[in-house]
Amino acid sequence: GENVEQHPSTLSVQEGDSAVIKCTYSDSASNYFPWYKQELGKGPQLIIDIRSNVGEKKDQRIAVTLNKTAKHFSLHITETQPEDSAVYFCAVYSGGGADGLTFGKGTHLIIQP
Amino acid sequence: DAGVIQSPRHEVTEMGQEVTLRCKPISGHNSLFWYRQTMMRGLELLIYFNNNVPIDDSGMPEDRFSAKMPNASFSTLKIQPSEPRDSAVYFCASSFDGAPGEQFFGPGTRLTVL
Repeated sequence: GENVEQHPSTLSVQEGDSAVIKCTYSDSASNYFPWYKQELGKGPQLIIDIRSNVGEKKDQRIAVTLNKTAKHFSLHITETQPEDSAVYFCAVYSGGGADGLTFGKGTHLIIQP
Repeated sequence: DAGVIQSPRHEVTEMGQEVTLRCKPISGHNSLFWYRQTMMRGLELLIYFNNNVPIDDSGMPEDRFSAKMPNASFSTLKIQPSEPRDSAVYFCASSFDGAPGEQFFGPGTRLTVL
């Protein structure tokens, strides 16, 4: 099955600085890569995603890059704000009947004021 | 759109009791997923349905767990009998075939088995 590794497990950055979270995956057939933000006591919220025919996607302060050859993708948050503090999960979708997402272990992002 | 709705939000029960978790997916979505989240194991897929039919239940931990989807707007996850190691947050998510993989999660049910 798919194996997803996410790093780092904890990331502390100063407010206004950038944050980068990285994930690697094992199944070359994987074709959809979403990122979720989970705040305390809430369910994961889809914040950005990318499909395998695109190398980069941006939405205001957040962006995702994908390197299919190396089988890794990254979440970039610029100009971080206190409300960005949360746990972020990457996920991988392979389809082909295995329609569940395989999640990374999560990154606890802490924005220092 | 109300999003995915789950009930109850919190459940505290004693070991051996039956627990039923409920989920209403987003209207128009035809796939429904049950996940379990723990500190040790992270987010794990338990079972998913497509057009009300169970497709993959390989993640269901053991026979004490069962799930049903009697219609397109309702699903249940039942644990009978419950054990302390079942304590976790259980999430329901839904998606539709036109956007494969794009899953939307409910707020979760926090289950504590004493």
